[in-house]
Amino acid sequence: AQSVSQHNHHVILSEAASLELGCNYSYGGTVNLFWYVQYPGQHLQLLLKYFSGDPLVKGIKGFEAEFIKSKFSFNLRKPSVQWSDTAEYFCAINNDMRFGAGTRLTVKP
Amino acid sequence: DAGVTQSPTHLIKTRGQQVTLRCSPKSGHDTVSWYQQALGQGPQFIFQYYEEEERQRGNFPDRFSGHQFPNYSSELNVNALLLGDSALYLCASSYRGGRGYTFGSGTRLTVV
Repeated sequence: AQSVSQHNHHVILSEAASLELGCNYSYGGTVNLFWYVQYPGQHLQLLLKYFSGDPLVKGIKGFEAEFIKSKFSFNLRKPSVQWSDTAEYFCAINNDMRFGAGTRLTVKP
Repeated sequence: DAGVTQSPTHLIKTRGQQVTLRCSPKSGHDTVSWYQQALGQGPQFIFQYYEEEERQRGNFPDRFSGHQFPNYSSELNVNALLLGDSALYLCASSYRGGRGYTFGSGTRLTVV
C-alpha cells in the first residue's frame, strides 16, 4: 500500500522567513512525487514534480524540493516566503495521486 | 483558467438521492481521475478512467461509479447519498495517466 504523511498541519511564518514542509511516503517501488498548492478559493496547481534524475527539483514561484530516498522524504522548501504564499500545500505520490492531508501555510505580512 | 471544466460548481441534494457530476478534461488529455476532498482534508482518490474503462479505484464503495465518454469527458455518479458524502469533488486530467495532473475547480456537493 502507498501512503503520504504530512506532519505539519499548520505552519505560521513571517514574510522573508525560510520554509520547509515535510512529506514522507510509504511505497516499496519506484515513486513519482508531486507538490501541489491550493490558494484560497482556487484549484489545485502543480508546484513541482520528481520522476527521476537530480533529486533536487526546482518548481514555480521559487519553490524547490529534495527527494531523499533513504528517508522516504520529499520536503518542500523556499528560502524566503511572501504573504502571497499563504495557501494549502499537498504532497502526492505516483500517478494516481495519493495525497497527504495537506499543510496550511499562513504568512504574516 | 484551469483547462479542466467541472459542472455544476455547487449542488445541494437530499440524503438518499442520486447525483451526477461532470468533467471535461484539458485539451489533449485522455485520462480522468476523480477525487473527494472533505473540509480540511487532502483529496482522496476515487477512481481513474482511461480508454473509457475504470483503470484504478480507491477505497470507495460501489455507490460511487463513473463513466468516460469517447471524447474523454467523464461523469461521477453517487447513489444513495449520505450526509458524509458532502465534500468538494475534484476532477483531474492527464495524458496517459502520468506526469502530473491538471485539476478542475471542483463541484461542491452538500447533502442535507
